[in-house]
Amino acid sequence: EPEVTQTPSHQVTQMGQEVILRCVPISNHLYFYWYRQILGQKVEFLVSFYNNEISEKSEIFDDQFSVERPDGSNFTLKIRSTKLEDSAMYFCASSVTSSGGSYEQYFGPGTRLTVT
Amino acid sequence: TQLLEQSPQFLSIQEGENLTVYCNSSSVFSSLQWYRQEPGEGPVLLVTVVTGGEVKKLKRLTFQFGDARKDSSLHITAAQPGDTGLYLCAGEEGAGSYQLTFGKGTKLSVIP
Repeated sequence: EPEVTQTPSHQVTQMGQEVILRCVPISNHLYFYWYRQILGQKVEFLVSFYNNEISEKSEIFDDQFSVERPDGSNFTLKIRSTKLEDSAMYFCASSVTSSGGSYEQYFGPGTRLTVT
Repeated sequence: TQLLEQSPQFLSIQEGENLTVYCNSSSVFSSLQWYRQEPGEGPVLLVTVVTGGEVKKLKRLTFQFGDARKDSSLHITAAQPGDTGLYLCAGEEGAGSYQLTFGKGTKLSVIP
């Protein structure tokens, strides 16, 4: 069964460094998303991406963050100048319109980002 | 900002018992998705409900979407230890917005 994959599974970085989190969405999906989950808290939406541009973003997704689809398969989240509070699990998700009209989202296993 | 409240937050039951967990909001959602999440892993989609009043069954799991599309429930019949996990509901606002708003989840433990 097709699945969303993410690399790396765990990333440790020092405060102020830049990190790139990578995702390979399900191949026939058209919509891509990033969410994060701080330890012990709920999953929070960051950004959605469709047709090579951002379609929605949350208040969390400020100038520190950017997303890119550099080729036909990868979808990346770049975090510049990381802060301690960026430590979280970052999930990539993808979706395609179902016959019912809702956008069922399938999540990857996540990248655990630890900022020290 | 739409909010989803899940209850109970924690639930511990004996194997073979039935249980229901709830997902409530004051906002209307175009669809609602239920996920199960294991520690350190991503949410795994269980079901999507779209129509008010809709009921979907997945083996021993029964999902219901409220008539007003503001709330949902998950009922598990004859719970088994393999049902142990974190159950999340997530609502999609619709009207051009596809982001999911998640609840905090119900952590279920089924004791053998």
